[in-house]
Amino acid sequence: GNSVTQMEGPVTLSEEAFLTINCTYTATGYPSLFWYVQYPGEGLQLLLKATKADDKGSNKGFEATYRKETTSFHLEKGSVQVSDSAVYFCALSESTNAGKSTFGDGTTLTVKP
Amino acid sequence: EPEVTQTPSHQVTQMGQEVILRCVPISNHLYFYWYRQILGQKVEFLVSFYNNEISEKSEIFDDQFSVERPDGSNFTLKIRSTKLEDSAMYFCASRLGSGANVLTFGAGSRLTVL
Repeated sequence: GNSVTQMEGPVTLSEEAFLTINCTYTATGYPSLFWYVQYPGEGLQLLLKATKADDKGSNKGFEATYRKETTSFHLEKGSVQVSDSAVYFCALSESTNAGKSTFGDGTTLTVKP
Repeated sequence: EPEVTQTPSHQVTQMGQEVILRCVPISNHLYFYWYRQILGQKVEFLVSFYNNEISEKSEIFDDQFSVERPDGSNFTLKIRSTKLEDSAMYFCASRLGSGANVLTFGAGSRLTVL
């Protein structure tokens, strides 16, 4: 079956530091890959996505590249802000049921001023 | 921006009681989902719903669970006889349709079973 493995947290960074959250996946087909963010007290929001190998998703300064050869989709941001403090979830979905997503455990990011 | 709304935001219930969690998906979306997240664990798929019927369900979604779209607007999750292990955050999500694989999630309903 499908699975997503995320870098364990929590992660604590100083403002303007570089962020990487690792994500690797196992899937039988050719999944779409997603990063979701959950701010305190809120629901899951789509941060970025990539639907095929070598695609790069980007949004709000965050980037992730779909690497089929390493089955990875690592999240990066060059300079984090306090407002980026949240829980980040890596997820995948298969084309056969696009809404049925498999999630990673989530990584809690805290950015200190 | 259109959003998925869920009520209640938090419900506390006694073990064995029935609970209904409500969701209003985005109005032109055709596919609906329930996920749950037990505290400290992964977000897990429960069920998908399309064209007024369940299209797929997980092992978690046993006979205690049911979903319906009673009025073309609300999408509900019913737990017939709650157990302690049903305590979790339940997320509703919707998706526009074929070819659109982006889910829009609600803020979640926290269920606490005592």
